[in-house]
Amino acid sequence: KQEVTQIPAALSVPEGENLVLNCSFTDSAIYNLQWFRQDPGKGLTSLLLIQSSQREQTSGRLNASLDKSSGRSTLYIAASQPGDSATYLCAVSKSNSGYALNFGKGTSLLVTP
Amino acid sequence: EADIYQTPRYLVIGTGKKITLECSQTMGHDKMYWYQQDPGMELHLIHYSYGVNSTEKGDLSSESTVSRIRTEHFPLTLESARPSHTSQYLCASSEGGVPPYGYTFGSGTRLTVV
Repeated sequence: KQEVTQIPAALSVPEGENLVLNCSFTDSAIYNLQWFRQDPGKGLTSLLLIQSSQREQTSGRLNASLDKSSGRSTLYIAASQPGDSATYLCAVSKSNSGYALNFGKGTSLLVTP
Repeated sequence: EADIYQTPRYLVIGTGKKITLECSQTMGHDKMYWYQQDPGMELHLIHYSYGVNSTEKGDLSSESTVSRIRTEHFPLTLESARPSHTSQYLCASSEGGVPPYGYTFGSGTRLTVV
């Protein structure tokens, strides 16, 4: 069974800092890996999706990398802002189970002004 | 606009009642999913569907059932609600192995059984 672990569980940083969120998974036979953002009481917003054949994806201040063989991904957030405060979820999918996602517990990020 | 809709947004209901959580998507995606999320915990897959007339149970044992009669509609039903069913339920859809590969989530239904 795929296990997804996210470190740290919580993070508080002052505005403007660059930060790294970590994700590891136990089964490297993934189809893709996706990073989501979840605001309190809300659904999930997709941030970045990396196919298993790719090494990284970038969108604005966000950069996600994937090392499939070692079962690791990182999400890099540059120049953090208070609006970045949310829970960040890492999820991996396999081609069986209808490409369903396995999620980590998330990293709760607080960016203080 | 392509989107996925869940209703109701919040529901408080008594023990023993039958409830149906609605989920509809406008993107024509074949794959649809139901996840359950307790506060502070990860999302767990409870049901998924490859397409019309296809439903499968997920990793987390659930007393709920689902149906997929139309591509756009994937309702979840609890025949007899119990306090242990109190949770947030999130519906999602994707094109699976077809580009652009992405997943879209609804805003969720927060269910409280009293």
